[in-house]
Amino acid sequence: ETGVTQSPTHLIKTRGQQVTLRCSSQSGHNTVSWYQQALGQGPQFIFQYYREEENGRGNFPPRFSGLQFPNYSSELNVNALELDDSALYLCASRGTTQETQYFGPGTRLLVL
Amino acid sequence: GDSVTQMEGPVTLSEEAFLTINCTYTATGYPSLFWYVQYPGEGLQLLLKATKADDKGSNKGFEATYRKETTSFHLEKGSVQVSDSAVYFCALSDKSTGANSKLTFGKGITLSVRP
Repeated sequence: ETGVTQSPTHLIKTRGQQVTLRCSSQSGHNTVSWYQQALGQGPQFIFQYYREEENGRGNFPPRFSGLQFPNYSSELNVNALELDDSALYLCASRGTTQETQYFGPGTRLLVL
Repeated sequence: GDSVTQMEGPVTLSEEAFLTINCTYTATGYPSLFWYVQYPGEGLQLLLKATKADDKGSNKGFEATYRKETTSFHLEKGSVQVSDSAVYFCALSDKSTGANSKLTFGKGITLSVRP
């Protein structure tokens, strides 16, 4: 059984640029959530996707957007990058009847 | 809103010492409670969970009991090892919300175990 994978592992961008992060959910999992983990902090919920639609969102501005594809993989897009967007971005997946979320290794984004 | 409060860190212990990491929560409804562990340079791994009051989650020698009366979910281990050195996060999932995948995390606490 393949776990949650994310790409790229590391990324450096400059302020104002756009970035796309990718996540492949664990086999059989149809729900994907994204979290932002700033240095020294706990992860913060960004949003959740189920059946290709966003069905829950945390306190993040609209420049944070996402997609989910028919194979349940997902993308996180961030426009107009700000310095404070520098963080570890974590993807988590779960099955419809499961409560437990399984996390990928994360993408570390540095905005200069 | 929901919140999770963890004791301040970091924590440094000698091998075979007893570990307690405190966690309290505030939530509407009836949350499930989790402990996740993050090893250096890695993502989060589920350590244990409890889904209702008085449940005890356990894994790898770690235990935590869901105490509704004190809104707590303290993590304990009788004898820590160097390999337990990591960051530990307490989290809750409020099943009563629409986005029932949403996990609310504490700030985490770094545990260092000396040989």
